[in-house]
Formats: sequence, structure tokens, C-alpha cells
Amino acid sequence: GAGVSQSPSNKVTEKGKDVELRCDPISGHTALYWYRQSLGQGLEFLIYFQGNSAPDKSGLPSDRFSAERTGGSVSTLTIQRTQQEDSAVYLCASSPGSGYTFGSGTRLTVV
Amino acid sequence: QKEVEQDPGPLSVPEGAIVSLNCTYSNSAFQYFMWYRQYSRKGPELLMYTYSSGNKEDGRFTAQVDKSSKYISLFIRDSQPSDSATYLCAMSASGGNEKLTFGTGTRLTIIP
Repeated sequence: GAGVSQSPSNKVTEKGKDVELRCDPISGHTALYWYRQSLGQGLEFLIYFQGNSAPDKSGLPSDRFSAERTGGSVSTLTIQRTQQEDSAVYLCASSPGSGYTFGSGTRLTVV
Repeated sequence: QKEVEQDPGPLSVPEGAIVSLNCTYSNSAFQYFMWYRQYSRKGPELLMYTYSSGNKEDGRFTAQVDKSSKYISLFIRDSQPSDSATYLCAMSASGGNEKLTFGTGTRLTIIP
């Protein structure tokens, strides 16, 4: 596709359930990032994949959060045992070397 | 204290006015500075990308970086209603693939 695609666009889940968020980056982009955007908090870095290198997981807020990138393309962010404070917009971005292209995000609401 | 500080606004100005948006930062390692525009329910899109100190102009938009003051600005001339969005500053120490540190964003409304 022409841009970064994220699914679902909206997700409402009950507290304690696990959720999976998907990101399809732009074809050929070697780098993929996950950020979280909460009201009044700006964009918070979560995790970064670059080619076949080990991912930079330094932004993951707890061990309930994990992400993988299969075949250097599609990425899945998994949040286990969701909490209300996990409610936010989760943004994925990809880059060919400099400059990000963001997807429209997944709006997660934990009730 | 956050590494990057940005006035969240909201900021409302009449159409045609000059808009000034600003960020300050504390990490002297930052050398690459970006401005992103984000419309409601969309992801941020890159507007301006600058390296080190100086000015960069692109149409109605001018980005300024003053590393000595750790202060960056985005100016929008002849503002249009379509400029209404949230503007986020972002910065990094290297220009390659590296995580960005973002400001909280300033919500801007241009009044017709």
C-alpha cells in the first residue's frame, strides 16, 4: 500500500483482557516504530525495529507490553492484562532511513 | 522536567495572521529538529526537518533553530483554516533511524 496501515482503527476491551494491534509498514522501509499518544502527554516512544537487529525495547512501560516484527515487515504490538491506564492511541511509523511516515493509529479504550 | 517542553495551547488566530509555535529542550545532544502536523484522528505528518542551528523555509512555513538557547520555532505565514491542527515538535541526536523525542503538541485553530 501507499502508506502505513494500522488495524483495528478502534478497539474497546475489558480490563484484564489481552489485545493485539497490527501495523503494516511501507514496503521497503527497514525501520519500524511504535509510539503511544495519550491526552496531554505527547508521543511516547515504545519500541523500535531496525532490519534484523535486536529491537530497542527501552520504551516499553511494563512487561505486559511486547512486540514482534515478522519477516522484516508486519509488526504486532501485544498488551496483556490490559489496564485502564493503557487507554491511548497507539501509533506505528516506518522509515527508509530518515523521516517517519506514521499510520493513523489504533485508538484503544480499556473499560 | 521533560526533555522537550511545548505550550499545549490551544491557540486561536484569525485567518491571514502569522503564527509562531515554539519548543524548548534540555538535551544538548539533539541536533535534528522536526515539526509534525497532526489532524484530528490522523497520524502526524512531517512538515519540516532541519539540522543544527539556522532557518529553513518551505512555502508559508519557516523553521528556526537556536541551539545556543535550546529553542526551536515554527512560523506559519498567511495562515489558512486548513492549517488548523495540532503541531508537534520532535528532535533526535542523530539523523538516521533513531527514536524521536516529541513535545506534547500545540493545538492551533485558524478562524475564518
